[in-house]
Amino acid sequence: QSALTQPPSASGSPGQSVTISCTGTSSDIGGYNYVSWYQQYPGKAPKLMISEVTKRPSGVPDRFSGSKSGNTASLTVSGLQAEDEADYYCCSYAGSNMVFGTGTKVTVL
Amino acid sequence: QLLLQESGPGLVKPSETLSLNCTVSGGSISSNNYYWGWIRQPPGKGLEWIGSIYLSGSTFYNPSLKSRVTVSADTSKNQFSLKLRSVTAADTAVYYCARHPHIVVVPPDYWGQGTLVTVSS
Repeated sequence: QSALTQPPSASGSPGQSVTISCTGTSSDIGGYNYVSWYQQYPGKAPKLMISEVTKRPSGVPDRFSGSKSGNTASLTVSGLQAEDEADYYCCSYAGSNMVFGTGTKVTVL
Repeated sequence: QLLLQESGPGLVKPSETLSLNCTVSGGSISSNNYYWGWIRQPPGKGLEWIGSIYLSGSTFYNPSLKSRVTVSADTSKNQFSLKLRSVTAADTAVYYCARHPHIVVVPPDYWGQGTLVTVSS
């Protein structure tokens, strides 16, 4: 299976919002509501930020939100803060498989 | 608090077999609610799912790696393991173990800290 498509980079100034897209197919994102988003700092393990398209685990700021339309999922970070600068990956269940996105580096200007 | 810890050699020679263990604490891999899996990340690159196992022994593998991968579990040690055969330099990566919070292979919730495995002679 092919990796999900994310933009390589995204940026915004502190306080602004940034939205990252994650495009797949009807065999993964479009077929199931099992899309997660991860934040990863250099040299660290990924951290779960959003599960099942829209659910925010305990401890994740409500500035992070997820959505899905058709074969595309999105992560929005509102009120950008310096600590949000990191790599972000989407991931989807794909019916006995699992597939990650290509990753997006978010820069806080 | 669920903790996962990878362990194994940090250096493997080309054509040999990469073997890693993941020890789980704060929870049981015998629970009937979860799959347990392996994910890797080559230096400077993205994440790639390798394969996962359920308590029944049911396994699923990334089709691109399936011919070289075996994931197994030892419930007596609360561990699960990865074997990747015939490795090349392209298998150099940080390897993570993780828990899938469902009876199918959904995106993981808990991850280990990762261990770097370098393939080199």
